[in-house]
Amino acid sequence: EAGVTQSPTHLIKTRGQQVTLRCSPISGHTSVYWYQQALGLGLQFLLWYDEGEERNRGNFPPRFSGRQFPNYSSELNVNALELEDSALYLCASSLKMGELGGETQYFGPGTRLLVL
Amino acid sequence: ELKVEQNPLFLSMQEGKNYTIYCNYSTTSDRLYWYRQDPGKSLESLFVLLSNGAVKQEGRLMASLDTKARLSTLHITAAVHDLSATYFCAVDVGNYQLIWGAGTKLIIKP
Repeated sequence: EAGVTQSPTHLIKTRGQQVTLRCSPISGHTSVYWYQQALGLGLQFLLWYDEGEERNRGNFPPRFSGRQFPNYSSELNVNALELEDSALYLCASSLKMGELGGETQYFGPGTRLLVL
Repeated sequence: ELKVEQNPLFLSMQEGKNYTIYCNYSTTSDRLYWYRQDPGKSLESLFVLLSNGAVKQEGRLMASLDTKARLSTLHITAAVHDLSATYFCAVDVGNYQLIWGAGTKLIIKP
């Protein structure tokens, strides 16, 4: 069974630019989560999508946004990039909340973003 | 403020020894997760603890949850080099929002 996939693997941008990161969940998973992991730090929750709807949002500015498509894949958009946005962006997926096993999130390999 | 604190943040130990990683959290929750991350890799789910008193074991790792004390432990028995990694705990604070600890970097020397 294919795991969570993310693209691209690495990205270099300059301040002020915009970036789009992509995530494909495990087949059958309807929930997608986005996290930011800055170097040497723990994960910070960004967004949770389930069945196309944004269900929860972490403490990040509005320039972080995303969406989930009908096939449950997801995009994370970051506008007006700042230097401190440099981080590993991780996507995770899970079964629908409330389903058996729905509490476990499975992570993709991440997209490493460097903002210069 | 919601906080999840792991202790220690760095641990170097010899193979064959036992040790415990602690995860304290500041809010009510009955759902806690342990994940492992190898250098340059993504996170791998180890344990999901869903109730007070939950204990789960997999090989040389055992995790427990005390929701009244707001404490989870990850115990390593007779450590082997392959267990070298960074271990994260994460607490579900509601609506499937996870608050993560800073991670414990574990180095096991042969």
